[in-house]
Amino acid sequence: QSALTQPASVSGSPGQSITISCTGTSSDVGGYKYVSWYQQHPDKAPKLLIYDVSDRPSGVSHRFSGSKAGSTASLIISGLQPEDEADYYCSSFTSSSTVVFGGGTRLTVL
Amino acid sequence: VQLLESGGGLVQPGGSLRLSCAASGFPFTNYDMGWVRQAPGKGLEWVSAISGSGGSTYFANSVKGRFTISRDTSKNALFLQMSSLRAEDTAVYYCAKAVGVPRGYYFYGMDVWGQGTTVTVSS
Repeated sequence: QSALTQPASVSGSPGQSITISCTGTSSDVGGYKYVSWYQQHPDKAPKLLIYDVSDRPSGVSHRFSGSKAGSTASLIISGLQPEDEADYYCSSFTSSSTVVFGGGTRLTVL
Repeated sequence: VQLLESGGGLVQPGGSLRLSCAASGFPFTNYDMGWVRQAPGKGLEWVSAISGSGGSTYFANSVKGRFTISRDTSKNALFLQMSSLRAEDTAVYYCAKAVGVPRGYYFYGMDVWGQGTTVTVSS
């Protein structure tokens, strides 16, 4: 199972909005509504931001939202804040009943 | 809600190691559980998952046939038995709980993570 494709890096200024894409195939992202997004700060465990494409766990800021079109999912972060600087990973259920992660995206807040 | 991993360490190539994860603060059998690893300086890699009852297990191709996953519902514990270890298995291994109410399934996503335990495979 190949990793999902994410941009290596994105950047934005405080207050701006950014979008991180996550591209798969019809055997994973395109075939199921089970796409998740995680935030990971250095030397910390990942934190779930979005599950089931667009649902937010309780306690996650409304500034984080998710969507999907075809085989590409997107994480949108609005009103960028300095503490949003981190690595972001998408994941998807696959037709093999496994889970595959994206390669990760480093977000820099300028 | 807490997960606490243990059992990591240094092991020679070809060797075995058993990781444990102690869970607390939630009805253990209501949630699928899983393991995710992260090699030094690399991204996240899904390793394995197990259903709430323990009756169904799932593995990444990279570990299939070498790793087994199990859970002890009487002790609220999750395990990962790793054998035929290779240098490329070197990573921080995270235990994680599936999100969902009232049941959590591994393919929904993982909402609670442990602090991780480090496995180093080297001679």
